[in-house]
Amino acid sequence: DARVTQTPRHKVTEMGQEVTMRCQPILGHNTVFWYRQTMMQGLELLAYFRNRAPLDDSGMPKDRFSAEMPDATLATLKIQPSEPRDSAVYFCASGPPGGTGNNEQFFGPGTRLTVL
Amino acid sequence: SQQGEEDPQALSIQEGENATMNCSYKTSINNLQWYRQNSGRGLVHLILIRSNEREKHSGRLRVTLDTSKKSSSLLITASRAADTASYFCALLDNTDKLIFGTGTRLQVFP
Repeated sequence: DARVTQTPRHKVTEMGQEVTMRCQPILGHNTVFWYRQTMMQGLELLAYFRNRAPLDDSGMPKDRFSAEMPDATLATLKIQPSEPRDSAVYFCASGPPGGTGNNEQFFGPGTRLTVL
Repeated sequence: SQQGEEDPQALSIQEGENATMNCSYKTSINNLQWYRQNSGRGLVHLILIRSNEREKHSGRLRVTLDTSKKSSSLLITASRAADTASYFCALLDNTDKLIFGTGTRLQVFP
């Protein structure tokens, strides 16, 4: 049963600490997306990779957020230093080759981040 | 903004009734997708409709698309308590990104 996995599922940390979230896309998928979901802002796209190359990270605060794909099976989203306003659920999604033009995105279960 | 605006924001119905959710948008699209999110979970793809299609069915789901009015609707027929969730429309823009709408929270009472 292929699915996107994310770790950790929950993270509570203190302001100023570094947070790293990990995502394993579905094997064979070549697009990876990071989203942030809050009650106020809804679902926001933070970053988007195709074939491990970052295509768009315009939705991501560059001063503290960074997203990478060290290899095809791992995507990371890092926040350093974290702030209380970063508290949200962070979702990773992957998509099969051919782009999302006619394909769906497959979402992971999310990482619920709380920054105190 | 390309983001879809969904209407209503919340909907409560009884089991067996039909639920209709609407999505309006502002610019041209390649396709429009509907996703479902159960509380505390990730989003799950329900159905995709291309810009040259007007209607699509999948089980109890029916999606329509009116590109002249820049709107889409999702109809769930014979609703069940298990359909309780949030439903999002997502627009594919010309950079291959999906932009999600604000969502409709559906509550189906047994």
